[in-house]
Amino acid sequence: GQNIDQPTEMTATEGAIVQINCTYQTSGFNGLFWYQQHAGEAPTFLSYNVLDGLEEKGRFSSFLSRSKGYSYLLLKELQMKDSASYLCAVRDYGQNFVFGPGTRLSVLP
Amino acid sequence: EPEVTQTPSHQVTQMGQEVILRCVPISNHLYFYWYRQILGQKVEFLVSFYNNEISEKSEIFDDQFSVERPDGSNFTLKIRSTKLEDSAMYFCASSDGRETTNEKLFFGSGTQLSVL
Repeated sequence: GQNIDQPTEMTATEGAIVQINCTYQTSGFNGLFWYQQHAGEAPTFLSYNVLDGLEEKGRFSSFLSRSKGYSYLLLKELQMKDSASYLCAVRDYGQNFVFGPGTRLSVLP
Repeated sequence: EPEVTQTPSHQVTQMGQEVILRCVPISNHLYFYWYRQILGQKVEFLVSFYNNEISEKSEIFDDQFSVERPDGSNFTLKIRSTKLEDSAMYFCASSDGRETTNEKLFFGSGTQLSVL
């Protein structure tokens, strides 16, 4: 079966750093993706990991450990506009992307 | 940047009616998808489409659903006899499908379907 877990909600302060964790158990693995979704809008791509390690992209970094079935998204220098849901998604052996439940991040002034 | 476009943005229908949701994927992409998201819930996979046929579908995608690529640009989702529980945001997505890229999904802005 396919199972992806994320914390439901997180709160952080403007300017701070926040780490959003994702654990997965899927029938296959062909990459892990992080998407940002503002309320009422479509998900937009943030990052992609297929090999173990850290991928850095400006204020956003994503880490993957395939042996542990674990990833995290790190957001630095938080801004108010970062308040959104963050979706962890795994692509299985085919072209199917399975999404986690999302983590709703609230950034407070 | 190229984008996936969906129409209409909102669709209201009566239970039992048929609806067709329309999408224009990014032109050089090879894989097309429909996802849905019930309010407050996670994004759920419905179906993927490649080379003019369904490549994978979920348990949600039962006989009342069908997809079609009627021409070289459009990709449609038809729901034959809508139920109240079909009310959701429906997202179309496409991906390049070539192994040389990270093959991320590009999402359209969605169609909010309300079944009354």
